[in-house]
Amino acid sequence: GENVEQHPSTLSVQEGDSAVIKCTYSDSASNYFPWYKQELGKGPQLIIDIRSNVGEKKDQRIAVTLNKTAKHFSLHITETQPEDSAVYFCAATNDYKLSFGAGTTVTVRA
Amino acid sequence: KAGVTQTPRYLIKTRGQQVTLSCSPISGHRSVSWYQQTPGQGLQFLFEYFSETQRNKGNFPGRFSGRQFSNSRSEMNVSTLELGDSALYLCASSGNRGVTSDTQYFGPGTRLTVL
Repeated sequence: GENVEQHPSTLSVQEGDSAVIKCTYSDSASNYFPWYKQELGKGPQLIIDIRSNVGEKKDQRIAVTLNKTAKHFSLHITETQPEDSAVYFCAATNDYKLSFGAGTTVTVRA
Repeated sequence: KAGVTQTPRYLIKTRGQQVTLSCSPISGHRSVSWYQQTPGQGLQFLFEYFSETQRNKGNFPGRFSGRQFSNSRSEMNVSTLELGDSALYLCASSGNRGVTSDTQYFGPGTRLTVL
C-alpha cells in the first residue's frame, strides 16, 4: 500500500515568514495529493490539492508543488499569519482511500 | 450547504462495551468514509460506504463495522471495546466518483475514550 512520509513534524515561524512542509510517497501510481489543515477540536479541512497532471498549484498565500519523478510534493505558505497555526497533513491516493502523512504542527510566532 | 455532522462529539465507555457513532454527510454526497485518528498511528482508513454498500475496507479487526442508510447517513459500531480503541473517529463524505475525483470533506469527529 501507499506510504506517505511528512517532514518536519514541528515548524515554528515568525509571522510574515514562509513555511514549507515536504512529503514523499511510495506508490508511483498515486495521482491525487490533497493537503488538510486541522485545528484543535475540529476535523481536517482541505486547503489545497493537486493532481498528477499538474506540477504546481497556487491559491492566494498557499501553493503546492509536485515532483512525480522524485515522488515528493510540498506545501508552501507565504506571509504566515497567527491563524495559520494548526496541524497540517499531506495525503496521497490512487484509489479509494487517502493515505496520510504523520502531520506537521505549525506555530506562527507573533 | 451544511457540512458533515457527527454525533455524539464525545463518548466515554468502559472496556468490553460496544459503541455506535453516527455521521450525516453533506447533502447529495453518497460516499461516506470513516477514519481513526490516534497520536501513535495517525489517520487510518477504516471503511467506505457507497449507496448502502461497503465498498472498501481498511486493516481493522472485525469488531469494527458499519452501515449506511438509504439517506446516505452512516453509522459505525465498535464491539468489545479495548483501551487501544480510544481515538478520534472521523467521517468524511464525497461525491459519487471516488476519492481521486471528488474532494473528501471531514466532519468534526467523535472523541471516544475507553476506560
